[in-house]
Amino acid sequence: DGGITQSPKYLFRKEGQNVTLSCEQNLNHDAMYWYRQDPGQGLRLIYYSQIVNDFQKGDIAEGYSVSREKKESFPLTVTSAQKNPTAFYLCASSTPGPYGYTFGSGTRLTVV
Amino acid sequence: QKEVEQDPGPLSVPEGAIVSLNCTYSNSAFQYFMWYRQYSRKGPELLMYTYSSGNKEDGRFTAQVDKSSKYISLFIRDSQPSDSATYLCAMSKVIQGAQKLVFGQGTRLTINP
Repeated sequence: DGGITQSPKYLFRKEGQNVTLSCEQNLNHDAMYWYRQDPGQGLRLIYYSQIVNDFQKGDIAEGYSVSREKKESFPLTVTSAQKNPTAFYLCASSTPGPYGYTFGSGTRLTVV
Repeated sequence: QKEVEQDPGPLSVPEGAIVSLNCTYSNSAFQYFMWYRQYSRKGPELLMYTYSSGNKEDGRFTAQVDKSSKYISLFIRDSQPSDSATYLCAMSKVIQGAQKLVFGQGTRLTINP
């Protein structure tokens, strides 16, 4: 079955550590996205990539980094510079056009 | 001012009630309008989408867009406990040749048996 796989489902990070969230898709989609979801704030765009080896900052990119070395993979690193990283992180991929977004099941990151 | 505003609720109604969920927006550049449904600890899934002003019906769900008032709604008829979820409106605009989605805050809906 085609879809998006995010791992791990739950992640705990100590303050000062970098952590990497995995996102893999087998839908053959060119575009991939990372969103952050906080209670009462909806989804906010962190980074997006339209093609391999290219990505752009979204609305809240500070403290995050990404890479897009393969079409199937778009990992997100939450760095120690991110002041409030505890949140639910969602990865998505899409076909051209606005209706083709498919989301993963998310990773819940907690700073301890 | 946020580009998209959505009442976060929570909203709790009895089974069988008609539910109305609403969003307003400020940017006339939005071209496409969507509703996503998100169950707890899951990713959002596309429920309905529309482009033009007017109504679009799919089973118990009706999406309504009023571009002149910058207002969109989702109506759920004969609501079921399985409809309990968070509903997010989303709107799309073109930024540097790419479609960019802007989401509302989401409304948490509970249907009580």
